Amino acid sequence: EPEVTQTPSHQVTQMGQEVILRCVPISNHLYFYWYRQILGQKVEFLVSFYNNEISEKSEIFDDQFSVERPDGSNFTLKIRSTKLEDSAMYFCASRKTQGRTDTQYFGPGTRLTVL
Amino acid sequence: AQSVTQPDIHITVSEGASLELRCNYSYGATPYLFWYVQSPGQGLQLLLKYFSGDTLVQGIKGFEAEFKRSQSSFNLRKPSVHWSDAAEYFCAVVLRGKLIFGQGTTLQVKP
Repeated sequence: EPEVTQTPSHQVTQMGQEVILRCVPISNHLYFYWYRQILGQKVEFLVSFYNNEISEKSEIFDDQFSVERPDGSNFTLKIRSTKLEDSAMYFCASRKTQGRTDTQYFGPGTRLTVL
Repeated sequence: AQSVTQPDIHITVSEGASLELRCNYSYGATPYLFWYVQSPGQGLQLLLKYFSGDTLVQGIKGFEAEFKRSQSSFNLRKPSVHWSDAAEYFCAVVLRGKLIFGQGTTLQVKP
């Protein structure tokens, strides 16, 4: 069964450094998402992406964040200058259509630790 | 504002016992509701979803959930819990394509 993959599984970085989290969505999916989960808190929506542009972003997704689909398979989340509070598990998800009945499939997550 | 509440942060049940995890939502229109499970070190796996029709929905791994509009609830149930069900469970509602999650309920299973 096709699945969403994410790399790396764990990333440790120093505060102020740039990180890129990578995702490979399911191949025939058109809608892509990033969510994050700070330890002990709920999973929060960051951004949605369709047709090579951002569809919606949360207030968390400030100028330090960017997303890109650099080729036909990868979907990346870049944090330009990491802060301690960016430490979290980041989940990528993809969906085939925008229909409300359609399921989002999640990757296993990347645990980002900012020191 | 649309929201999802899971009142129980942590639940412990004995293996073989029945399970009910509570979920309440606040949503103006007909909600589209989901339950996801997250095992340690794993991503979020869809257990079941409700869109319309029969208010009792069946999911994977023997789980079911019942939508009750009058109570704004979508509780997850399983008649007999297995040790492998120990995980974190998230209820979610979809809003303009994005998922709004509850806080999650951690399920511990005693032998």
